[in-house]
Amino acid sequence: DIQMTQSPSSLSASVGDRVTITCRASQSISTYVHWYQQKPGKAPRLLIYTASRLQSGVPSRFSGSGSGTDFTVTIDSLQTEDFATYFCQQTFNIPWTFGQGTKVEIK
Amino acid sequence: EVQVVESGGGLVQPGGSLRLSCAASGFTFGSFEMSWVRQAPGKGLEWVSYISGSTSTIYYADSVRGRFTISRDNAKNSLYLQMNSLRAEDTAVYYCATTYSVNNYASDYWGQGTLVTVSS
Repeated sequence: DIQMTQSPSSLSASVGDRVTITCRASQSISTYVHWYQQKPGKAPRLLIYTASRLQSGVPSRFSGSGSGTDFTVTIDSLQTEDFATYFCQQTFNIPWTFGQGTKVEIK
Repeated sequence: EVQVVESGGGLVQPGGSLRLSCAASGFTFGSFEMSWVRQAPGKGLEWVSYISGSTSTIYYADSVRGRFTISRDNAKNSLYLQMNSLRAEDTAVYYCATTYSVNNYASDYWGQGTLVTVSS
């Protein structure tokens, strides 16, 4: 199975900060990576698909990059509503796997 | 408006069975691929199963293969997950989601989830 390792596991940031979350795959997966945001008690929300494509309706302060084994999602100018947990997912091989999550907390 | 709504969760004893349903509306269900994803309490996300619109392609996670069966009834706009031989480690919120092979199998519309608790 392809392992997806996210870092950091958690971070504290302030409104207006630029935040970057990294996901590393255990093998090359092209750009078969997607990023989700989840708030407590809610379903995940797709933010970025295929590594860098912004899902419709997602604010442009979110961006994704990477290919092969290393991927990032960046939030420019963090907003109050962005405090949540973020997950990466690979769909290159079955079983599709998620990273363990990165919790973004208010500093 | 695209909506998917899960139902059928509940408390079940180890070794028991449960059938989850996912009712879809606001889109041509038969044209959409679907997935089940679960989340154990306080844990991360775990992909469970995938089914294509025509049911010609089905995938399972190793942890559920042979115990769970995904199916769909396009005439009823419904997705199902039959869960047999349930174990304590199957306790989780189960989400259904639309999944697009065109977008490299990203999942964009998710339901609110249904909680399955396996306990004696």
